[in-house]
Amino acid sequence: TQLLEQSPQFLSIQEGENLTVYCNSSSVFSSLQWYRQEPGEGPVLLVTVVTGGEVKKLKRLTFQFGDARKDSSLHITAAQPGDTGLYLCAGAGGSRLTFGEGTQLTVNP
Amino acid sequence: GAVVSQHPSWVICKSGTSVKIECRSLDFQATTMFWYRQFPKQSLMLMATSNEGSKATYEQGVEKDKFLINHASLTLSTLTVTSAHPEDSSFYICSASGREGRYEQYFGPGTRLTVT
Repeated sequence: TQLLEQSPQFLSIQEGENLTVYCNSSSVFSSLQWYRQEPGEGPVLLVTVVTGGEVKKLKRLTFQFGDARKDSSLHITAAQPGDTGLYLCAGAGGSRLTFGEGTQLTVNP
Repeated sequence: GAVVSQHPSWVICKSGTSVKIECRSLDFQATTMFWYRQFPKQSLMLMATSNEGSKATYEQGVEKDKFLINHASLTLSTLTVTSAHPEDSSFYICSASGREGRYEQYFGPGTRLTVT
């Protein structure tokens, strides 16, 4: 069974601060996706990383896939209240996704 | 692109009744659809995977006779919660994959089920 450990589970910061969310596994994934979910809505795909060592940037968000394709990180620079939400990493193995436990981020103005 | 809809967005039903939830991929053909359940402040729990025209594959612990899944076409899957009980109250989310042959899953907006 593939498991993804996501940390931290909860994070409350002030506007303008930087933060990093980590997603770790002992398993190798063919790709890894990051989603953001707001209350009462479905997750929205932010990015897919496929190649070991790959770095993708989406405005103030930087995503990195580990060289061994077992771990990933999401770094947010100068967080804003609009970044508040549940961030989920998900590793792909075949057609299935294995989800991390999620990180509930609250950015206070 | 890659829009997935769900209907209804919320439903309240009485204990013992059945509820059907629809999941549609609006602008692509979904070779595979997934059904998840999510409790408050928690991650998604996969219930079952369905491919068009074949029987769904259920995860361990999910009762296939209680959660009936039909994937009748490449754009529609339905989840029917039969003889619902209060413990079935939850947020149900579907996702679809297969757009342009890719593996990413695109999620619907979810359905909030409350069983009274």
